[in-house]
Amino acid sequence: QSALTQPPSVSGSPGQSVTISCTGTSSDIGSFNRVSWYQQPPGTAPKLLIYEVTNRPSEVPDRFSGSKSGNTASLTISGLQAEDEADYYCSFYTSSSTVGFGGGTKLTVL
Amino acid sequence: QVQLVESGGGGVQPGRSLRLSCGVSGFTFSGYAMQWVRQAPGKGLDWVAVISHDGAHKYYADSVKGRFTVSRDNSKGTLFLQMNSLRPEDTAVYYCARSGYHYAIDFWGQGTLVTVSS
Repeated sequence: QSALTQPPSVSGSPGQSVTISCTGTSSDIGSFNRVSWYQQPPGTAPKLLIYEVTNRPSEVPDRFSGSKSGNTASLTISGLQAEDEADYYCSFYTSSSTVGFGGGTKLTVL
Repeated sequence: QVQLVESGGGGVQPGRSLRLSCGVSGFTFSGYAMQWVRQAPGKGLDWVAVISHDGAHKYYADSVKGRFTVSRDNSKGTLFLQMNSLRPEDTAVYYCARSGYHYAIDFWGQGTLVTVSS
């Protein structure tokens, strides 16, 4: 399974933008657009935010956006709100449907 | 709407077994691959196993291979995880999740806690 690297924590003030990175390799993120992002508020199950690098499920606000450059995918949250405080995970989905997760990033809204 | 409800968690001694179940509703179960993902207390997400829509293909994380078995009953809309030879490091919340059609896990259950301790 893929081993993806995320920063342990990021922070920002309400209204600001933050970006969370997710670094893989040329064999996974660098070659395929099978990157997803999940939001997990404390004590709850994860929720899908972004799939296939840039796509948002209809119920996810457009403040959340995804991108990719080389072996690194990124999640950007614009117009930070207090409710965005949560853990965020990236993942890579392989051809055999196995999944590798990043270590997670804790977002603190100051 | 899509719902996934896990059950069967609890406390168990090392070396013993436990069987988790996940009942689903709101979608055609037989049309989707299904996943098990776990999360140890205070830790990140850890992928455990996947089973194809028809049960023909199964893959496991190295940490559980040979001890855990994933299965499904499409006639009853239920996913299972048989966990044998449990270890303290298997202690986690276990999530049942659906693999969507866009290379992503698109729905998650609420999770069931498994505690392995003597």
